[in-house]
Amino acid sequence: AQSVAQPEDQVNVAEGNPLTVKCTYSVSGNPYLFWYVQYPNRGLQFLLKYITGDNLVKGSYGFEAEFNKSQTSFHLKKPSALVSDSALYFCAVRVKPLYNFNKFYFGSGTKLNVKP
Amino acid sequence: NAGVTQTPKFQVLKTGQSMTLQCAQDMNHNSMYWYRQDPGMGLRLIYYSASEGTTDKGEVPNGYNVSRLNKREFSLRLESAAPSQTSVYFCASSETFWDNQPQHFGDGTRLSIL
Repeated sequence: AQSVAQPEDQVNVAEGNPLTVKCTYSVSGNPYLFWYVQYPNRGLQFLLKYITGDNLVKGSYGFEAEFNKSQTSFHLKKPSALVSDSALYFCAVRVKPLYNFNKFYFGSGTKLNVKP
Repeated sequence: NAGVTQTPKFQVLKTGQSMTLQCAQDMNHNSMYWYRQDPGMGLRLIYYSASEGTTDKGEVPNGYNVSRLNKREFSLRLESAAPSQTSVYFCASSETFWDNQPQHFGDGTRLSIL
């Protein structure tokens, strides 16, 4: 079965420190990986994606993520956290279709708290 | 830039009532989706429409119906609401169903069923 896991419900970090939000996946076939951010009372906003190529992907607002095939992980990182980064973060994987069904699987979300 | 617009933003229903959630996108996208978001469970796909004129079931379709009214609009209907359908509902769209472009989300409809 296809799945995405975000092992931490919440991550706390001080402003200016580096942050990491973890994501691991289990899929058959080649994964296409995404990170989304959700602010209160808003929909999900796309941050970045990995399709192929360089394992380090850069996205919006200074975020980046590293694809690690051997560890089946796609952790979200930022060198210096801002208070405004506080939000709910979702990892998602899209599986290359076997039977023409191209579907997103979402993780359960990680709440990031950045304290001044 | 409207993007994906959902109405209403909030709604309270009584058990057994019916309701239609509306969604419209102005990005000329071919594919549209309905998700529900419950605490600790991420997003689960209810129904999707790969292109105008087609609809298909997702992970959790029971108790819901959809209509792809035209290319812009995709509605979700609860025929007889149940407390288990209390959730936040998100509509999303993407250029096509087959590529790896991200989905664009509306701001959600917060639905409570008493």
